Amino acid sequence: NAGVTQTPKFQVLKTGQSMTLQCAQDMNHEYMSWYRQDPGMGLRLIHYSVGAGITDQGEVPNGYNVSRSTTEDFPLRLLSAAPSQTSVYFCASSRYGDSSYNSPLHFGNGTRLTVT
Amino acid sequence: KNEVEQSPQNLTAQEGEFITINCSYSVGISALHWLQQHPGGGIVSLFMLSSGKKKHGRLIATINIQEKHSSLHITASHPRDSAVYICAVRSTGSQGNLIFGKGTKLSVKP
Repeated sequence: NAGVTQTPKFQVLKTGQSMTLQCAQDMNHEYMSWYRQDPGMGLRLIHYSVGAGITDQGEVPNGYNVSRSTTEDFPLRLLSAAPSQTSVYFCASSRYGDSSYNSPLHFGNGTRLTVT
Repeated sequence: KNEVEQSPQNLTAQEGEFITINCSYSVGISALHWLQQHPGGGIVSLFMLSSGKKKHGRLIATINIQEKHSSLHITASHPRDSAVYICAVRSTGSQGNLIFGKGTKLSVKP
């Protein structure tokens, strides 16, 4: 199993450009999420989804959009990149439901994004 | 005040030492996770706990629900244990979302 596949690994954008970070999982997980990791701070939730067609905002959603048209894919879109969005981004997935407390979170390998 | 606090922030140990990393939280939880992030950046799940104690190889995780505290222990530490260890809690009613601590950076010297 590939697990959680996240692309690209590195990206440099100019202010105002748009881009999509891709995330795909092959474990049939209902729950998928996007985080950003900044120095001195814990991982912060951007958006999450508990199933196809269902998305919701996390702690820091401004400037980002998501969609979940299939169980497997959960892309993150930056509509107009800003230097404040320079960060490392992680996608993660897990099972969801009554037994979700017993479900580990599987992470992608991360995307290092720089906005100049 | 952060809902999940880890201590220490940084830890340097000699190979072979017994290591303890602490995590305190202030919310009601359904589960607590310990994660490991290696210098290359990848994050892997080490443990999930809702009560008691779990052991995997040289790693031991404990949780005290009443005191809202968890510890991660590493016995006979090795340089390959050098990583950032992250505590995260799944709060009750959070739709499965995790709240993360800032991490503890561990460096084990040979």
